[in-house]
Amino acid sequence: DIVLTQSPDSLAVSLGERATINCTSSQSILNSLNNKKYLVWYQQRPGQPPKLLISWASTRESGVPDRFSASGSGTDFTLTINSLQAEDVAVYYCQQHYGSPRTFGQGTRVDIK
Amino acid sequence: QGQLVQSGAEVKKPGSSVKVSCRTSGGALRSSTVSWLRQAPRQRLEWMGGINTIFRTTDYAENFQGRVTISADESTGIVYMDLTSLRSDDTAIYYCARETSGWFDPWGQGTLVTVSS
Repeated sequence: DIVLTQSPDSLAVSLGERATINCTSSQSILNSLNNKKYLVWYQQRPGQPPKLLISWASTRESGVPDRFSASGSGTDFTLTINSLQAEDVAVYYCQQHYGSPRTFGQGTRVDIK
Repeated sequence: QGQLVQSGAEVKKPGSSVKVSCRTSGGALRSSTVSWLRQAPRQRLEWMGGINTIFRTTDYAENFQGRVTISADESTGIVYMDLTSLRSDDTAIYYCARETSGWFDPWGQGTLVTVSS
């Protein structure tokens, strides 16, 4: 199975500041045939199911604020939240869909400092 | 196609089975691949398996082979997840989600299954 490791496990950021979350894959999840990176990001607010934020490693879903951005290579990926808002307090997960089974990172908790 | 709505919380004894349902708020889940995932305390989100409601084919994670059955009622469009031989470490929130291109969106609200003697 492909193992995704997120760092840090948790972070606290002041309102209006930047939060950066990393996700490292145990193997490349870049498909060289279509140049697509098979990684997505979710946000899970307390008491709610995960919500898809980013697909194909860097494409924001409809309705996701543009303070959320993401990038990455074949094995190293980053989710950035610019100008953190109170409603961004959540756990963030990466997930790969390159291999089966689909696997998730362990999650990164983002809080307000 | 609307939000996904799951059945309510369950409390089960070890060794028993649980069946959780999933439908859209509009009533029927059709022409979709629906997956089941779970979130156990202090564990990662885990994909359990899924069903293609068009071709009625299923795919299960190796960890759950032989214990999970995912099915779809053609007449109602409701998708079910049946987990047998329950253990205490099956205590978790179980989610259904529509799978598109390998990711999951949207998700149901979750069903808490507690396994306790």
